[in-house]
Amino acid sequence: GAGVSQSPSNKVTEKGKDVELRCDPISGHTALYWYRQSLGQGLEFLIYFQGNSAPDKSGLPSDRFSAERTGGSVSTLTIQRTQQEDSAVYLCASSSGTSGGTPIAELFFGEGSRLTVL
Amino acid sequence: SQQGEEDPQALSIQEGENATMNCSYKTSINNLQWYRQNSGRGLVHLILIRSNEREKHSGRLRVTLDTSKKSSSLLITASRAADTASYFCATAGNQFYFGTGTSLTVIP
Repeated sequence: GAGVSQSPSNKVTEKGKDVELRCDPISGHTALYWYRQSLGQGLEFLIYFQGNSAPDKSGLPSDRFSAERTGGSVSTLTIQRTQQEDSAVYLCASSSGTSGGTPIAELFFGEGSRLTVL
Repeated sequence: SQQGEEDPQALSIQEGENATMNCSYKTSINNLQWYRQNSGRGLVHLILIRSNEREKHSGRLRVTLDTSKKSSSLLITASRAADTASYFCATAGNQFYFGTGTSLTVIP
């Protein structure tokens, strides 16, 4: 597609359930980032993928969070045993140019997945 | 933890006035980027300034970078109601972090 696509756009789940959030980056972009944004707050870095390198998972808040990127393209962020504090907008971004973990080109963002945990 | 901090947190101005937002950061950077966010969803890239640049322009936007003070500013000239949004700086160093954002309201 022309831009970064995220699904679902909205997800309401019950506490304790698992959720999967999907990100389709721009074709050819080797770098992919996941961020979390709580209401009225800034962006919290979660995880970064660059090509076939091991992902930088340093931002994942707990072992309930995991992410994978298959074939260097689509990425899935999984949250197990969701808690109410996981409620937030989860944003995915991709970039064509990075040097290590540093974007040297702009990031293109999807519209986000709004997660509500009841 | 987030590296960039924007100031002010919120700014309200009349249409036609200039808006200035500031960003401070803590470590050395490769580049600094400014983004705009409407309605809490996706962010849109505005401008990128490299560490060896001091000023950059794009339309009504002017960005400055002072690496000695570890600070940057975004100036929006002749503001319009449509400029109402949240603005974030993002610093690209060993990591890529976004600041806390400035919420700009332009009153028609």
